[in-house]
Amino acid sequence: GESVGLHLPTLSVQEGDNSIINCAYSNSASDYFIWYKQESGKGPQFIIDIRSNMDKRQGQRVTVLLNKTVKHLSLQIAATQPGDSAVYFCAEKDAGGTSYGKLTFGQGTILTVHP
Amino acid sequence: NAGVTQTPKFRILKIGQSMTLQCTQDMNHNYMYWYRQDPGMGLKLIYYSVGAGITDKGEVPNGYNVSRSTTEDFPLRLELAAPSQTSVYFCASSPGGGNTIYFGEGSWLTVV
Repeated sequence: GESVGLHLPTLSVQEGDNSIINCAYSNSASDYFIWYKQESGKGPQFIIDIRSNMDKRQGQRVTVLLNKTVKHLSLQIAATQPGDSAVYFCAEKDAGGTSYGKLTFGQGTILTVHP
Repeated sequence: NAGVTQTPKFRILKIGQSMTLQCTQDMNHNYMYWYRQDPGMGLKLIYYSVGAGITDKGEVPNGYNVSRSTTEDFPLRLELAAPSQTSVYFCASSPGGGNTIYFGEGSWLTVV
């Protein structure tokens, strides 16, 4: 089946730096791509999503970029803070009328922010 | 705000035992999901439900059963526990088939 994967399993940055977390996907038919943040001992938390017909979307301190040509997704975090330390997952949503919001998750990237 | 509540948070089972992971949400969401997360991996969908009385299999349903008798509750049943079911289990809900899925805090299950 289709898969969503990540290039880098770990990322360490200094507080205040910008972080970029990458993700490769294989299902060209996915409708949405979503980023989730998972803090230690907690469930994933929605960060931002992007529809497949867009190439960029901005949120508060975060930007998601979608490059459909190379099937690549990235999450940029501006002015990274220690509270951003977590595991970040990209996920894709099944396209089609019967998807019922089912998500396919990638492996995850561990982001560590050093003070 | 309670959101999605799972119990128990931690459990150790012996091989062959059965148990039920409870999940309840107070947001009146129609859609509910059970995921499992193995160490260092992303989440995999076990079962999902689009409303009371309606359930369907996800990616990894073998060894599990679910029921959805009410909008609020979506219990996950393990009938004959196996070591391969050692994992963290997350229940989740969403108001529709959208992208904002609300997760519970997880249930850590170890089968020995």
